[in-house]
Amino acid sequence: GESVGLHLPTLSVQEGDNSIINCAYSNSASDYFIWYKQESGKGPQFIIDIRSNMDKRQGQRVTVLLNKTVKHLSLQIAATQPGDSAVYFCAENINDSWGKLQFGAGTQVVVTP
Amino acid sequence: DTGVSQDPRHKITKRGQNVTFRCDPISEHNRLYWYRQTLGQGPEFLTYFQNEAQLEKSRLLSDRFSAERPKGSFSTLEIQRTEQGDSAMYLCASSPRDLTKYTQYFGPGTRLTVL
Repeated sequence: GESVGLHLPTLSVQEGDNSIINCAYSNSASDYFIWYKQESGKGPQFIIDIRSNMDKRQGQRVTVLLNKTVKHLSLQIAATQPGDSAVYFCAENINDSWGKLQFGAGTQVVVTP
Repeated sequence: DTGVSQDPRHKITKRGQNVTFRCDPISEHNRLYWYRQTLGQGPEFLTYFQNEAQLEKSRLLSDRFSAERPKGSFSTLEIQRTEQGDSAMYLCASSPRDLTKYTQYFGPGTRLTVL
């Protein structure tokens, strides 16, 4: 979803459940995508990345899916834990843009016991 | 700690004052980026260095902003004649020399408050 000012989309997840965070990216020329996790007062922390020549990539408890047809990216977190509570951003790199990243609006994930 | 470091972590200043922030990238990362983040938003690109060369600047970077990376290692971001609208988190990121790897690693940020 879209965020307006301070009103980040929020995903509430029960501890132990799987989380799915969605992101619509803007540029069909983007060739590289990253998911970041940001906790309050801290800088973004790298989670996982994927290149445009792939449609799925798995990490530890996380999976990123890329659908270039509809310009959609998702992050799946398995067995969500309280420490997963944070704001999650997707970011895209537009080909030949010196690696600068364009960030999406972010999704607040709240893990409830 | 071998991550990106930024100093200071917090800065409170009065409108019209100049401020300077420092970023130390991960050792041997030749690419360095500055971003600005306001509350509830994702980081916005400001400028990019490859070694000591500043290769790109965003339109967000007004004439009051200047960034340097004189020896291709640490970088400084200076804001002159600060305005209340400059209040934000200033983030620095670095990425490795390998051009096939665009992953950027962020520092903890400097939170600027302009009164």
